[in-house]
Amino acid sequence: QVDLVESGGGVVQPGRSLRLSCATSGFTFRSYSLHWVRQAPGKGLEWVALILSDGNSKYYADSVKGRFTISRDNSKNTLYLEMNSLRSDDTALYYCARDLFCGGGSCAGIDNWGQGTPVTVSS
Amino acid sequence: DIQMTQSPSSLSASVGDRVTITCRASQNIRTYCNWYYQKPGKAPKLLIYAASTSQSGDPSRFSGSGSGTDFTLTISNLQPEDFATYYCQQSYSAPLTFGGGTKVEIK
Repeated sequence: QVDLVESGGGVVQPGRSLRLSCATSGFTFRSYSLHWVRQAPGKGLEWVALILSDGNSKYYADSVKGRFTISRDNSKNTLYLEMNSLRSDDTALYYCARDLFCGGGSCAGIDNWGQGTPVTVSS
Repeated sequence: DIQMTQSPSSLSASVGDRVTITCRASQNIRTYCNWYYQKPGKAPKLLIYAASTSQSGDPSRFSGSGSGTDFTLTISNLQPEDFATYYCQQSYSAPLTFGGGTKVEIK
């Protein structure tokens, strides 16, 4: 059974940093590409970042580029999202998610999601 | 960046109805269109990937079609558990993008 469990969310002041983690189990972690997707309260889904299985290729939404960093530790089966210079519009539930397959610049679709960790940016 | 324009943003339907949701991409994404549904307080769930391939275990009343820029999700014989919000997503190129969502409500 595939399992993704996010942690690290909380309340943080604007301009500060936060690091999210996603512990996974039930699949061969190193073989899959992984995403972070967020959802602001009462709003739709917003894709945030993608890291391919090799860990070397990373992609970001324009809204977080230069502030957020996605990374993975294949020895710990864990995905991370380092968030710096946080703003009020970063307030959202952050989902860790696994893609069916990514290659050649495209992905197949997100087939497994965690339950999310909430991030609130407020003074 | 590729924009995904989803319509309608909401609709009311009855159990047993046939429902169609559309998504238009701002450029050719071949068949890299995926559909998800989400119930309140729950994580999204993949319904359809590659425009028309059903995710394993999903009921056959969900079907997808389209290629290029225009895509459709059809729910035939709407069931009570189908009342939810549906999202399309392009996975052709990063930044990957979602449509704005369609909330399917009970009439």
